[in-house]
Amino acid sequence: QKEVEQNSGPLSVPEGAIASLNCTYSDRVSQSFFWYRQYSGKSPELIMSIYSNGDKEDGRFTAQLNKASQYVSLLIRDSQPSDSATYLCAWGTGANSKLTFGKGITLSVRP
Amino acid sequence: GAVVSQHPSRVICKSGTSVKIECRSLDFQATTMFWYRQFPKQSLMLMATSNEGSKATYEQGVEKDKFLINHASLTLSTLTVTSAHPEDSSFYICSARDPVGSEKLFFGSGTQLSVL
Repeated sequence: QKEVEQNSGPLSVPEGAIASLNCTYSDRVSQSFFWYRQYSGKSPELIMSIYSNGDKEDGRFTAQLNKASQYVSLLIRDSQPSDSATYLCAWGTGANSKLTFGKGITLSVRP
Repeated sequence: GAVVSQHPSRVICKSGTSVKIECRSLDFQATTMFWYRQFPKQSLMLMATSNEGSKATYEQGVEKDKFLINHASLTLSTLTVTSAHPEDSSFYICSARDPVGSEKLFFGSGTQLSVL
């Protein structure tokens, strides 16, 4: 059974700190991973996508993928109060596949 | 990124009525759209995959007769919640896949349905 597990959270960090969000998955067939950010009452927006092992950086965001250990992480450097939201990881098994979403982790950045 | 428009953003209706939600791809053609439902503090649950010109594919446990999906054109998919009941109250979100062929999803703004 395909499963995506996320840190249940919530996670609270002070402004300026590094927030680390983790996601593990059970299906080794997975090929692509995504991190979405969702503000309360809004729909998700794509932050990062990662397809190969290692790190991928985009501004203050770094996605890390380790297929051997079956986890994907999102690091947010210099966290800002505006980063306070629910973060969803999602994964797919290839072209035209459906995405499966994790439960989400709520991040709160304290001013 | 691609733009997906969804409306209405909020609906309040009486139990037993039907509600239609529209999802449009504004600047690209979407042969496939996805409908998700999200209950408070829970993740997105895929309800069905909407395919242009053919029947939708429903996920296990989703009643196809209750959640009618029509994808009559390459830019429009509709979800109709028939005979809505309070337990159908939820946040409904449509999405379309990245038109350049990746697995990225672009989401509509969502519809908050409240059934009294």
